[in-house]
Amino acid sequence: EIVLTQSPGTLSLSPGERATLSCRASQSVSGSYLAWYQQRRGQAPRLLIYGASRRATGIPDRFSGSGSGTEFTLTVSRLEPEDFAVYYCQHFGSSQFTFGPGTKVDIK
Amino acid sequence: QLQLQESGPGQVEPSETLSLTCTVSAGFITSSVFYWGWIRQPPGKGLEWIGSIYYSGTVYYNPSLMSRVSISVDTSVNQVTLKLRSVTAADTAVYYCARQNGDYFRGDYYYYGIDVWGPGTTVTVSS
Repeated sequence: EIVLTQSPGTLSLSPGERATLSCRASQSVSGSYLAWYQQRRGQAPRLLIYGASRRATGIPDRFSGSGSGTEFTLTVSRLEPEDFAVYYCQHFGSSQFTFGPGTKVDIK
Repeated sequence: QLQLQESGPGQVEPSETLSLTCTVSAGFITSSVFYWGWIRQPPGKGLEWIGSIYYSGTVYYNPSLMSRVSISVDTSVNQVTLKLRSVTAADTAVYYCARQNGDYFRGDYYYYGIDVWGPGTTVTVSS
């Protein structure tokens, strides 16, 4: 069973700053099956990144994903007010989905 | 644009069966590239995948819920149904219906993420 760990738990930043979020897998996984989601308060999650680095339709290019093996990163190059939210990484493998616990990005 | 809408009772009594329906509109549930799934989120907590189903009926579940859950599909009305038996307060959550996107090519499955979500429906387990 794959376990995903995200860090930090909370990231306090100001608008315009860069956010770097980490997702670590308990064992090596294929990046092809690693995705990132954003969840704003009171809303359903939204797909940002799939295949570790491919932006979903309509996602601004300030969002980028990278990584391989057990270490994956989501970067928001310059935070906009609407980017303050919770971010989840997610893996799909062996017909199972696993979500990380999430990183909350809040306003400093 | 394809939309998903969850429906069902907002409150269920302990030990009873939770039953929710997801209606797919402006799209076909029989598309060969999509799976349709259920994901839940307890108050103030993270996301938990429950299970997913293909239009043909192929289904897979979260092992931690497998003994209590069943998911079915009715292609005639473009609906996916979730049933969760013997509920407790721990099953109180927002339940989301979602579309898993992917494709098959030369025998390999390519995963494109959970790209469409319903707005979610809150279910409270309480007497």
